[in-house]
Amino acid sequence: DAGVIQSPRHEVTEMGQEVTLRCKPISGHDYLFWYRQTMMRGLELLIYFNNNVPIDDSGMPEDRFSAKMPNASFSTLKIQPSEPRDSAVYFCASSPSGQLYEQYFGPGTRLTVT
Amino acid sequence: GENVEQHPSTLSVQEGDSAVIKCTYSDSASNYFPWYKQELGKRPQLIIDIRSNVGEKKDQRIAVTLNKTAKHFSLHITETQPEDSAVYFCAASIVLGGSQGNLIFGKGTKLSVKP
Repeated sequence: DAGVIQSPRHEVTEMGQEVTLRCKPISGHDYLFWYRQTMMRGLELLIYFNNNVPIDDSGMPEDRFSAKMPNASFSTLKIQPSEPRDSAVYFCASSPSGQLYEQYFGPGTRLTVT
Repeated sequence: GENVEQHPSTLSVQEGDSAVIKCTYSDSASNYFPWYKQELGKRPQLIIDIRSNVGEKKDQRIAVTLNKTAKHFSLHITETQPEDSAVYFCAASIVLGGSQGNLIFGKGTKLSVKP
């Protein structure tokens, strides 16, 4: 398996622009998580899905952020409009159902908003 | 909600020495405690985890201990090697059967192992 796939790996955009981050989880995994990592705030959970349904989005910073999972093999995290404080590394992770709870992280998307 | 505190934020040891990283959690309902290792520029990866029904778990040079009463858990690395240098994150979560909840991470500990 190729593991969790994220695109793009790097994104540089100007303030006010829309940004879309993409994630393909490991096949067969029922859980998908979106995290944001910064030096100041560490690793924060933004939202997670179970069987394509959002379970908890309490970590989403504000209405500028939205996430979707239209099917079991694809999810997006959208920021509109983007702001400089959104600059961070965004990780997607997936996990299977069952008694093993390991989360498999993707390589991350480094977002820079100027 | 759950809050996870992690100490120290940085740790420097000589190769061969032991390293200990400590975490405390606030929600007594938390029952799953993983540790992730993140090398520079890489993704976090699970290295060991413990569930609330055991007090200690070992895997070669790494071990984790859990004190449910005091709500703290620790990572122990023995005979450290330069390749152990990384940022280590503890986390806490509530799991039930096959269902997972939010994984709340500590702020991380940057471990440096000097040759």
